[in-house]
Amino acid sequence: DGGITQSPKYLFRKEGQNVTLSCEQNLNHDAMYWYRQDPGQGLRLIYYSQIVNDFQKGDIAEGYSVSREKKESFPLTVTSAQKNPTAFYLCASSEHGGNDRGRDRSYNEQFFGPGTRLTVL
Amino acid sequence: DQQVKQNSPSLSVQEGRISILNCDYTNSMFDYFLWYKKYPAEGPTFLISISSIKDKNEDGRFTVFLNKSAKHLSLHIVPSQPGDSAVYFCASINSGGGADGLTFGKGTHLIIQP
Repeated sequence: DGGITQSPKYLFRKEGQNVTLSCEQNLNHDAMYWYRQDPGQGLRLIYYSQIVNDFQKGDIAEGYSVSREKKESFPLTVTSAQKNPTAFYLCASSEHGGNDRGRDRSYNEQFFGPGTRLTVL
Repeated sequence: DQQVKQNSPSLSVQEGRISILNCDYTNSMFDYFLWYKKYPAEGPTFLISISSIKDKNEDGRFTVFLNKSAKHLSLHIVPSQPGDSAVYFCASINSGGGADGLTFGKGTHLIIQP
């Protein structure tokens, strides 16, 4: 049963603490992504990784860090430097990174995990 | 500066009728578009996509139309069913480089009324 798992579903932390969100996929996808969703907002890209041991900043990377030591795993650390960490965090993966209009949809489609709601008290 | 715009935060449609969700984009380098459906506290699920080399893509009750000259796309759902009630996100991919993730609109909350 292939898919993307994120744990935990709900997470509470005190202000000033770092926290790491887990994301695992068994789809054998090369690329993985982290997004953040705030109320009334679309999803915004935090970090992405096209291959193992490589990752790139997205639109709102400040205050976050990631690692990609294994193909299946792409953990996200929310550091104390992130000014508004309370949000719904979504992890996604795709077969490959990049865009190719000549390929079929699986090349471009991103599959999402169930999300982690982080609340910083 | 929003590059993908969904100007209707919500849309109410009667069951059995057609639902039309609209999306506009500003970046001419966007050349692949996707629609995602999202229920509360869940991750988005892929619905349908379209490449800029096409102007229409159909999958069952769902059809996406792309008007490149107007930088506009729309998602048609017909007939609308109660299970279609969800938030729908329009997303695009930039072929011109830059971040490799999707650029999302803010979403439209579709409510199907019985």
